[in-house]
Amino acid sequence: DAGVTQSPTHLIKTRGQQVTLRCSPISGHKSVSWYQQVLGQGPQFIFQYYEKEERGRGNFPDRFSARQFPNYSSELNVNALLLGDSALYLCASSLEDRGSYEQYFGPGTRLTVT
Amino acid sequence: AQSVTQLGSHVSVSEGALVLLRCNYSSSVPPYLFWYVQYPNQGLQLLLKYTSAATLVKGINGFEAEFKKSETSFHLTKPSAHMSDAAEYFCAVSVGNFGNEKLTFGTGTRLTIIP
Repeated sequence: DAGVTQSPTHLIKTRGQQVTLRCSPISGHKSVSWYQQVLGQGPQFIFQYYEKEERGRGNFPDRFSARQFPNYSSELNVNALLLGDSALYLCASSLEDRGSYEQYFGPGTRLTVT
Repeated sequence: AQSVTQLGSHVSVSEGALVLLRCNYSSSVPPYLFWYVQYPNQGLQLLLKYTSAATLVKGINGFEAEFKKSETSFHLTKPSAHMSDAAEYFCAVSVGNFGNEKLTFGTGTRLTIIP
């Protein structure tokens, strides 16, 4: 079975630009979460979506937004990019949005802001 | 709010030696605990999880972890290290089972295996 897929793999953007990252969950998984992993740190929670509704938001500015589509795929958008947004962005999917359900991670999108 | 502390950002062990990676959690309610492994330039792979069924949890690749409520710990062990175990390891906690529960990660422990 295919795991979580993310695109693109790598991305280089300039400060002030906007970026869209994409994620396809494991088939049958209804919950998608986004995490930001800065070099040398653990992933930080950004958003969780379940059945196309936002269920949780981490401590990130409004420049970050996301949505989930009817096929449960998801997009993460970041506007007005800052140098500090450079990170590995990870998408994770799970069957449900409950804490006991394990989350499966994709390979990530590495974003570099110059 | 829940949190995780991983003691030791870098751990080195000889091939064939015991691996012990430490994780302590803080939570006001019974937690769900996870260990993930991350190889260079890859995403996170789930090693094992604790969801209150059994305190000793066995995972993939010969790893196991024991939940100790009295010590608020969930340390990861492997009896005999292999070169392929070299990676970054993350402990994570989630609480609640009503929906909208996120994972909170520790800062990670980089495991180096000495030949």
